[in-house]
Amino acid sequence: DTGVSQDPRHKITKRGQNVTFRCDPISEHNRLYWYRQTLGQGPEFLTYFQNEAQLEKSRLLSDRFSAERPKGSFSTLEIQRTEQGDSAMYLCASSFSANYGYTFGSGTRLTVV
Amino acid sequence: QKEVEQNSGPLSVPEGAIASLNCTYSDRGSQSFFWYRQYSGKSPELIMFIYSNGDKEDGRFTAQLNKASQYVSLLIRDSQPSDSATYLCAVNIPIGGTSYGKLTFGQGTILTVHP
Repeated sequence: DTGVSQDPRHKITKRGQNVTFRCDPISEHNRLYWYRQTLGQGPEFLTYFQNEAQLEKSRLLSDRFSAERPKGSFSTLEIQRTEQGDSAMYLCASSFSANYGYTFGSGTRLTVV
Repeated sequence: QKEVEQNSGPLSVPEGAIASLNCTYSDRGSQSFFWYRQYSGKSPELIMFIYSNGDKEDGRFTAQLNKASQYVSLLIRDSQPSDSATYLCAVNIPIGGTSYGKLTFGQGTILTVHP
């Protein structure tokens, strides 16, 4: 499979718990992005990596969110002390350059109960 | 003003008709423009991109860009029920004074093509 892989596909967690999502980009892509999408809205930018460097982080991302991309390969997004407002689809995408658009993974749907 | 705005939907057209989807953007530094299709419960899928003013055609899809008016549109000819989806406009907006950018998305327009 040469696409963008995300794991898990679905996650239900209790409020206050920590969750971690994983993204494996297309191997030739050095740029990796995380977005969040809620019902009826377009994807909102969270953070961006070029290789292993995190080059931008949205102001939407509170201190409870952290992302890593060790060795410039896969990436993880962790949410600590989850809140009901964190319920959303978390999308990972990769690309050569934003000028060429992104390829999205299937997403991880998070439900906080 | 939102960075990327799409015409409010939902949009309903009969099978075989032309569907017209519109998008405006606020940053004149934007360099490239994209249309994504998103089926319910699925992730966005890139269907068209355009960099230069004018029209770009790909099969039944035509993207139109007018940088002076900060406007981009997508026309779907001979609409099919399988085209029913949410269409997202995305704009590559440079980050600060850097050479790289990120895509900023509109809120999407729901298109329904009825037989």
